[in-house]
Amino acid sequence: GAVVSQHPSRVICKSGTSVKIECRSLDFQATTMFWYRQFPKQSLMLMATSNEGSKATYEQGVEKDKFLINHASLTLSTLTVTSAHPEDSSFYICSVEQQNTGELFFGEGSRLTVL
Amino acid sequence: GENVEQHPSTLSVQEGDSAVIKCTYSDSASNYFPWYKQELGKGPQLIIDIRSNVGEKKDQRIAVTLNKTAKHFSLHITETQPEDSAVYFCAASRGDTNAGKSTFGDGTTLTVKP
Repeated sequence: GAVVSQHPSRVICKSGTSVKIECRSLDFQATTMFWYRQFPKQSLMLMATSNEGSKATYEQGVEKDKFLINHASLTLSTLTVTSAHPEDSSFYICSVEQQNTGELFFGEGSRLTVL
Repeated sequence: GENVEQHPSTLSVQEGDSAVIKCTYSDSASNYFPWYKQELGKGPQLIIDIRSNVGEKKDQRIAVTLNKTAKHFSLHITETQPEDSAVYFCAASRGDTNAGKSTFGDGTTLTVKP
């Protein structure tokens, strides 16, 4: 079964609204989760590292005020796209790393379309 | 930083044939090399991985080889089936870095024709 649950899988919103995407680790606790963005026919681009109980670490060029990340528990991280615009339309994916093996488990992804 | 190059970008094979995807990396300190399969509209899924202390690893129809000297690793799929059609990504990361911060290749779209 799924190790990482991501919700919603698809969301359509109007320009200017905010959208929240949830990432849940189902099989183990995760002090660290990762958020990626993927454009069509392109690779995964790491946006930020979500740290439980502390601030997220953002990659260069990613606006932290635009993409708010909250990691309030050991099994849940949320990504909020604030004041979304059409250029924010993309496929957003989260991942969780299993500490013992280093294996990375990805969520099913969330397709955001901003009208 | 690490740079991972993946080839080819697209690959089409007949069912039953073998498929090979190659990746090169630049950081000699990288020691973890996973391969992910991503089906349309879904998140990537780990299919096989190899660490730098091993030269080859096999899991049924899938195998990965690693050449540390040349800094390249390859994915081999034998007896391909239509359900193998997907996008495959290689990745590389260092031992002191989370796998989540791996550098990913640009992906290979594999099409297996029945």
